[in-house]
Amino acid sequence: QVTLKESGPGILQPSQTLSLTCTFSGFSLSTYGMGVGWIRQPSGKGLEWLANIWWDDDKYYNPSLKNRLTISKDTSNNQAFLKITNVDTADTATYYCALYNNYFDYWGQGVMVTVSS
Amino acid sequence: DIVMTQSPFSLAVSEGEMVTINCKSSQSLLSSGNQKNYLAWYQQKPGQSPKLLIYYASTRQSGVPDRFIGSGSGTDFTLTISDVQAEDLADYYCLQHYSSPLTFGSGTKLEIK
Repeated sequence: QVTLKESGPGILQPSQTLSLTCTFSGFSLSTYGMGVGWIRQPSGKGLEWLANIWWDDDKYYNPSLKNRLTISKDTSNNQAFLKITNVDTADTATYYCALYNNYFDYWGQGVMVTVSS
Repeated sequence: DIVMTQSPFSLAVSEGEMVTINCKSSQSLLSSGNQKNYLAWYQQKPGQSPKLLIYYASTRQSGVPDRFIGSGSGTDFTLTISDVQAEDLADYYCLQHYSSPLTFGSGTKLEIK
């Protein structure tokens, strides 16, 4: 059974760095073809893909966030991470991680992040 | 970037009716290598995370009722929900996973009269 769960700080101030953790089970990020992605959704709005990381440590980022994103993984502990630097109020959203196996087929419950001074 | 244009923005139907939701991509999503269309459909019920309904444009995910049907190829895709049930109240999104950056449609809100 595949499960994913996101965790994060809840609230942070503008210009800080947002650090998110995705803890998963039921698959391994060392398995050929497996990947984990991050997607976010501002309240009442649509979905925005942020980044993917693959079993071989290949990484893809959404260029709209330019160089603010860093995705990484800890295969031995079944975790994936996303950092977003220099946050502002526009980064307020629910952040999801999802298993990517040619498409996002399992999603976490999401974690709400609020950027406020 | 591939732009996904999804329509309609919202629709309201009675139980038992059929609905169609459309997604049009700015570039073809059909892979010449394997003849698969890299288009997925998701359902997001209120307060929940998205759930995969359809992948490769027309393959139903395990456990998804057969009233959900995905069709289309190239740049034009449709999600059809036949015999709509009250439990289908949700937002629906398409996703192109043909090339990076992955892009979602803007979503369709399905309401039940």
